[in-house]
Amino acid sequence: DTGVSQDPRHKITKRGQNVTFRCDPISEHNRLYWYRQTLGQGPEFLTYFQNEAQLEKSRLLSDRFSAERPKGSFSTLEIQRTEQGDSAMYLCASRGGGTGVGTEAFFGQGTRLTVV
Amino acid sequence: GESVGLHLPTLSVQEGDNSIINCAYSNSASDYFIWYKQESGKGPQFIIDIRSNMDKRQGQRVTVLLNKTVKHLSLQIAATQPGDSAVYFCAENPSGQAGTALIFGKGTTLSVSS
Repeated sequence: DTGVSQDPRHKITKRGQNVTFRCDPISEHNRLYWYRQTLGQGPEFLTYFQNEAQLEKSRLLSDRFSAERPKGSFSTLEIQRTEQGDSAMYLCASRGGGTGVGTEAFFGQGTRLTVV
Repeated sequence: GESVGLHLPTLSVQEGDNSIINCAYSNSASDYFIWYKQESGKGPQFIIDIRSNMDKRQGQRVTVLLNKTVKHLSLQIAATQPGDSAVYFCAENPSGQAGTALIFGKGTTLSVSS
């Protein structure tokens, strides 16, 4: 257990439905990241928060995706009007301040989304 | 032990052998690198990290080597065990800044047979 919690672990939804995932980072970590991972690939960056501010978004984050971190603690990732291509593992990671050795990102167990 | 000169998607070794997994990174400005291990159905798990001002760092049974000249990173696992079977990813901090996201390389699936 890394200390990063994600909920739910698995989600099956019908195409066109909206889904929301939650991430609870390690409490003292001010940086939070969302990644998407498809089978056989490495995690792909989606978006990054420092405290409550969303500082970076990937081109992968289409208009149907929105992420929030309202109080600088937990974060939510919502996907609207889901498509089959959204099926993937959605990973959350948190990281403390600074850079370099000892500032690694800790990942949660992920939320596996299946769009049918 | 078995080594991989170029990145290969899979590596099969016998229990007790040493394993070497290679990774090429893309950004010469990257100053921080991490190796992660990912087991099926789980999130990536931190193994070891290294800064660009180092060329070698050792952990428990693992060593990371960094060659900035050719932008190459390797992970050495000593006395590989069946529990080491997983997918291994290298990740880089591309701009050297604290806030940017880690960028992951292609994974290598390590299979350890006993």
